[in-house]
Amino acid sequence: GESVGLHLPTLSVQEGDNSIINCAYSNSASDYFIWYKQESGKGPQFIIDIRSNMDKRQGQRVTVLLNKTVKHLSLQIAATQPGDSAVYFCAENFRAGGTSYGKLTFGQGTILTVHP
Amino acid sequence: DTEVTQTPKHLVMGMTNKKSLKCEQHMGHRAMYWYKQKAKKPPELMFVYSYEKLSINESVPSRFSPECPNSSLLNLHLHALQPEDSALYLCASSRLNEQFFGPGTRLTVL
Repeated sequence: GESVGLHLPTLSVQEGDNSIINCAYSNSASDYFIWYKQESGKGPQFIIDIRSNMDKRQGQRVTVLLNKTVKHLSLQIAATQPGDSAVYFCAENFRAGGTSYGKLTFGQGTILTVHP
Repeated sequence: DTEVTQTPKHLVMGMTNKKSLKCEQHMGHRAMYWYKQKAKKPPELMFVYSYEKLSINESVPSRFSPECPNSSLLNLHLHALQPEDSALYLCASSRLNEQFFGPGTRLTVL
């Protein structure tokens, strides 16, 4: 079936470094992609999204890149802080025409650990 | 109000018990979702409600019974669960694409 996967299950960085988390997706019909951050004991928290007609989107300290040619998504976190330590999930969304809801498929997740 | 709330935060139940999980949002979202998340795994979709009607059931066993009493509330009724059903149950809502998640209910089935 269609799936979204991550290349690296864990990532350790020093405080102040830039972090890059990668994700591969396989459903070419997906039209919307989201990165979520999940801290221990909490629900996934929306970080940033990107539509399939874009290749880059920037937020506060975060940038998402989308390469539809190779079906690859990445999340870049600038000046990583200890508070960024969490599990990061990419998710692809497919919303059938005329529906009010999307069907999210999550990647396996990357554990980001930021050392002071 | 820009959050999804879930109650209870923790629930321990026996295999013969009947319990319910509750979810509430006041963002005017017309789509609401239930996900199940096992430890160290991504969330897996269980049910989708759109305009208070069940739109997707991802082949979930009948011991899980969803209910959407109105546009702000979503319940998940539990009956005769198995120990392998122990997990974090997440509720989410959306207007179109962006789904907002609640903090989840940590369920333990003994």
